[in-house]
Amino acid sequence: AAGVIQSPRHLIKEKRETATLKCYPIPRHDTVYWYQQGPGQDPQFLISFYEKMQSDKGSIPDRFSAQQFSDYHSELNMSSLELGDSALYFCASSLGGGEKLFFGSGTQLSVL
Amino acid sequence: GENVEQHPSTLSVQEGDSAVIKCTYSDSASNYFPWYKQELGKRPQLIIDIRSNVGEKKDQRIAVTLNKTAKHFSLHITETQPEDSAVYFCAVLGAAGNKLTFGGGTRVLVKP
Repeated sequence: AAGVIQSPRHLIKEKRETATLKCYPIPRHDTVYWYQQGPGQDPQFLISFYEKMQSDKGSIPDRFSAQQFSDYHSELNMSSLELGDSALYFCASSLGGGEKLFFGSGTQLSVL
Repeated sequence: GENVEQHPSTLSVQEGDSAVIKCTYSDSASNYFPWYKQELGKRPQLIIDIRSNVGEKKDQRIAVTLNKTAKHFSLHITETQPEDSAVYFCAVLGAAGNKLTFGGGTRVLVKP
């Protein structure tokens, strides 16, 4: 069965650079969630979208923005990267903002 | 916002023994409580979930119990095996279904 696809799997950036992470939800899933997970930490909610509209916002820095497109894929744009942004970024999708969230394999971002 | 606390943070058990992880939450309107298993560097994987209208659910060696009055729920793993070693996260879906809030995680080590 198709799963949540995230790209790239790994990304290395310098401080102050920008990065774009992409997420392709499970087909027919209309809700996308972004999470940030530091080493040894629990996943921290960043932002979610339902039917291409932002549905909730968590601890997402102002330097980050995200959107969901007409085909339901989502992109997380990160600017002025800082060392502390180094983390594993997960995208998850669900149907109708419903209960079962399925996670992608994540993007490991390293800021040097 | 929702506050989810998870205990213990680490748990070491002998193969064949049982493991129990407990979580408490703050928002009495929350109605969906999944458990995720995460291996190092991999995605969180849903292993079992429970809804607020159910007190207990079992799936082979895994069970979850929910006490909605006390706002706590627990994961029970019986006959533990080395492959059960991982980090386990409880989570709570807010009433609006817009985001999943995770507990701090429990690192489970099953010793052969």
